[in-house]
Amino acid sequence: DAMVIQNPRYQVTQFGKPVTLSCSQTLNHNVMYWYQQKSSQAPKLLFHYYDKDFNNEADTPDNFQSRRPNTSFCFLDIRSPGLGDAAMYLCATSIGQGQETQYFGPGTRLLVL
Amino acid sequence: AQTVTQSQPEMSVQEAETVTLSCTYDTSENNYYLFWYKQPPSRQMILVIRQEAYKQQNATENRFSVNFQKAAKSFSLKISDSQLGDTAMYFCAFMKLGAGSYQLTFGKGTKLSVIP
Repeated sequence: DAMVIQNPRYQVTQFGKPVTLSCSQTLNHNVMYWYQQKSSQAPKLLFHYYDKDFNNEADTPDNFQSRRPNTSFCFLDIRSPGLGDAAMYLCATSIGQGQETQYFGPGTRLLVL
Repeated sequence: AQTVTQSQPEMSVQEAETVTLSCTYDTSENNYYLFWYKQPPSRQMILVIRQEAYKQQNATENRFSVNFQKAAKSFSLKISDSQLGDTAMYFCAFMKLGAGSYQLTFGKGTKLSVIP
């Protein structure tokens, strides 16, 4: 089945130690998104790619970066994780041609020790 | 900027009964989409239903239907014949239409529990 895959599902890192979360999709969608969702809160968009074009939200901290080496893969890099960065990170995709339903992956839960 | 408000943090419903989740939004846009997403415990978020603002007819998907009141900026979700698998967090979301516009603005969610 076509889908959005996130690895790992759970990630533990140490305070200040860089960490990378990955997302892949088999939907061949143009747009890929990264959201941060803290406990009992709504998902908050960090940034998105339309193809290779990167779009950062104004309030996304510089500590968060992203890479999209090809259509299928997108990475979230947290350069120096703080305790406040512990959250669920959701990857999503959409076609990018006017039908903007977003399809979500299962998420990666990040724990910062 | 758009805002989405879900005024019911938690709700419960008996199995087989009907429940309505409320959502209001604020926008100056005229063309937009509205969505209801469902996030079951420890599972991925999935689309329940979507509504294009230019359509007057309310969207329906099997047991799920919406009451879209554009002038009132209200977008409620009705779940009929509730099932145990409907237990989840439900998020109302807004997206404006336009070139380069892909941001979903979510409400804070309503936690729905279906009671056997």
